[in-house]
Amino acid sequence: QVQLVQSGAEVKKPGSSVKVSCKASGGTFTSYGISWVRQAPGQGLEWVGGLIPMFGRAEYAQKFQDRVTITADESSGTVYMEVNSLTSEDTAVYYCAKSYDESPNWLDPWGQGTLVTVSS
Amino acid sequence: ERVMTQFPATLSVSPGERVTLSCRASQTVNRNLAWYQQKPGQAPRLLIYAASTRATGTPARFSGSGSGTEFTLTISSLQSDDFAVYYCQQYSDWPPLTFGGGTKIELK
Repeated sequence: QVQLVQSGAEVKKPGSSVKVSCKASGGTFTSYGISWVRQAPGQGLEWVGGLIPMFGRAEYAQKFQDRVTITADESSGTVYMEVNSLTSEDTAVYYCAKSYDESPNWLDPWGQGTLVTVSS
Repeated sequence: ERVMTQFPATLSVSPGERVTLSCRASQTVNRNLAWYQQKPGQAPRLLIYAASTRATGTPARFSGSGSGTEFTLTISSLQSDDFAVYYCQQYSDWPPLTFGGGTKIELK
């Protein structure tokens, strides 16, 4: 049973970058995808991007294409999401979540979430 | 991009009532649809995938139906533990995966 454990909360200045980690235990993420989903305060869920093993690369939502990088360290079982050029609109809880298999599909389980606050 | 629309945005319900939540896709997603439950301060939890298959641990009072562009999540008899926000998500056409805006079930 895969479990996902994320890094702790971050407070960042506008214009800076943040890197959030997601450590998978109980399985190897080369056989399934890991997505990142964010949720702004009081808002719904928004897919940021994900590692897609069937393509051997990450895919991103268009609005994040130029600012987000998702990488993986297979040796430690950890996936990372880096967001650059932060603005106050990036203030959100960021979740990692596992796909059922190598393509993005339903997401289960989810990490506990990482709150990223962007404030001057 | 598949746009997912959920309605109503809020449902005021009493325990024991039957509840129906709706989700509509802007284009067909076949049966590539999942439902999640989210409680305050918690991560979303998968309830249903492939439109109607209950995830492990999902109580039998939850059922999903639909295909193409119209989907429904039904709770046969609402329990106190079911007050939460529910999201649908399509995985037919990606990137991106897309979610509906959510339906909040609140106490009447």
